[in-house]
Amino acid sequence: AQSVTQPDIHITVSEGASLELRCNYSYGATPYLFWYVQSPGQGLQLLLKYFSGDTLVQGIKGFEAEFKRSQSSFNLRKPSVHWSDAAEYFCAVVPFGAGGSYIPTFGRGTSLIVHP
Amino acid sequence: EAGVTQFPSHSVIEKGQTVTLRCDPISGHDNLYWYRRVMGKEIKFLLHFVKESKQDESGMPNNRFLAERTGGTYSTLKVQPAELEDSGVYFCASSSGQYNEQFFGPGTRLTVL
Repeated sequence: AQSVTQPDIHITVSEGASLELRCNYSYGATPYLFWYVQSPGQGLQLLLKYFSGDTLVQGIKGFEAEFKRSQSSFNLRKPSVHWSDAAEYFCAVVPFGAGGSYIPTFGRGTSLIVHP
Repeated sequence: EAGVTQFPSHSVIEKGQTVTLRCDPISGHDNLYWYRRVMGKEIKFLLHFVKESKQDESGMPNNRFLAERTGGTYSTLKVQPAELEDSGVYFCASSSGQYNEQFFGPGTRLTVL
């Protein structure tokens, strides 16, 4: 079975600083990979996804993520954080070609705190 | 167009009581999913409806949980009787197809005292 590790429970950055949130997965093949964000009082919103092709994917709100097969990682990055980015971020994987349901496995989430 | 809505947003009940959570998916979405996040843990899958049928209920923790989707529109998740370990945030999601993007609701925060 697949699993997802987000090693950082909390991350604190200053507004304007760069950001990288880590995600490592365990799966026997290349999965579909996702990043979601949950702002207070909101549902999970899809930031970006990787299925195949270019390993650097662009998402909404200025986020990007890079798939590194050799490291089984899919880290999320943003060059300059805004106060509105304070939220909880979830990495998720879906097994590719498993023939089963398209159900994501989520990491524990990383809570981003942004200081002015 | 309205997104996925969930009611209530918060619920506080005592151990042994019954609680019913409701999810209204995006109109026209046949696929509806329930997930749960216990404090500090991963978001975990509970079950998946296609229209009114349960496609996959492998994540349901035990028989105190009952999910229904009569008529293939909104869904309810009943917990009876509630236990302390049932506390958490219950998310609902819907999608137009099984392999399409899932859209999530804001969740219901359940606290069992």
